[in-house]
Amino acid sequence: DQQVKQNSPSLSVQEGRISILNCDYTNSMFDYFLWYKKYPAEGPTFLISISSIKDKNEDGRFTVFLNKSAKHLSLHIVPSQPGDSAVYFCAAKAVGGSQGNLIFGKGTKLSVKP
Amino acid sequence: DAGVIQSPRHEVTEMGQEVTLRCKPISGHNSLFWYRQTMMRGLELLIYFNNNVPIDDSGMPEDRFSAKMPNASFSTLKIQPSEPRDSAVYFCASTSGGGLFFGSGTQLSVL
Repeated sequence: DQQVKQNSPSLSVQEGRISILNCDYTNSMFDYFLWYKKYPAEGPTFLISISSIKDKNEDGRFTVFLNKSAKHLSLHIVPSQPGDSAVYFCAAKAVGGSQGNLIFGKGTKLSVKP
Repeated sequence: DAGVIQSPRHEVTEMGQEVTLRCKPISGHNSLFWYRQTMMRGLELLIYFNNNVPIDDSGMPEDRFSAKMPNASFSTLKIQPSEPRDSAVYFCASTSGGGLFFGSGTQLSVL
């Protein structure tokens, strides 16, 4: 049973518009959430994270929102660029867990069209 | 730093053969992780080591899988005997307590 769910396997957005990638989780013991970006033939790379004590974290064009009551987080990319086309993985860490012991979703493939 | 280095990049083998995947973590990182990526299950943690000691191997699918970390700069993931359902991309990652850094992965195809 998936503890971290990314229900949209793919998303297509026009360049310059907003991309919104969603993630739901089931384990209330998760206290730290991360987004990773993966290009073909490369390993995932860290993009942005958020602690459970916050509800928003922003880094340039990327913003992550956390709604703990709904066990939902989302990644917003504004404005979207063709170079953002990649697979995005949502990941979560449980309280007391190792920094690298992450539970990943299945990923959402984002395509940004020029 | 060259990052996490995995070899081989691609491996094609026949069912029943032994497969060994290799990983060199980033120097100074004391934790190493093996993940497997498939379309059906996404990224799954197989096993992780802390200071060369296996901490949690609950994600290892079955006894055909084994992992070792003989020293701080080298780890192997072995599958013996391999089966077609083992076909996936296997990632190694390391950390020193901050962010997790992934290698480029090994694409394994078992025919």
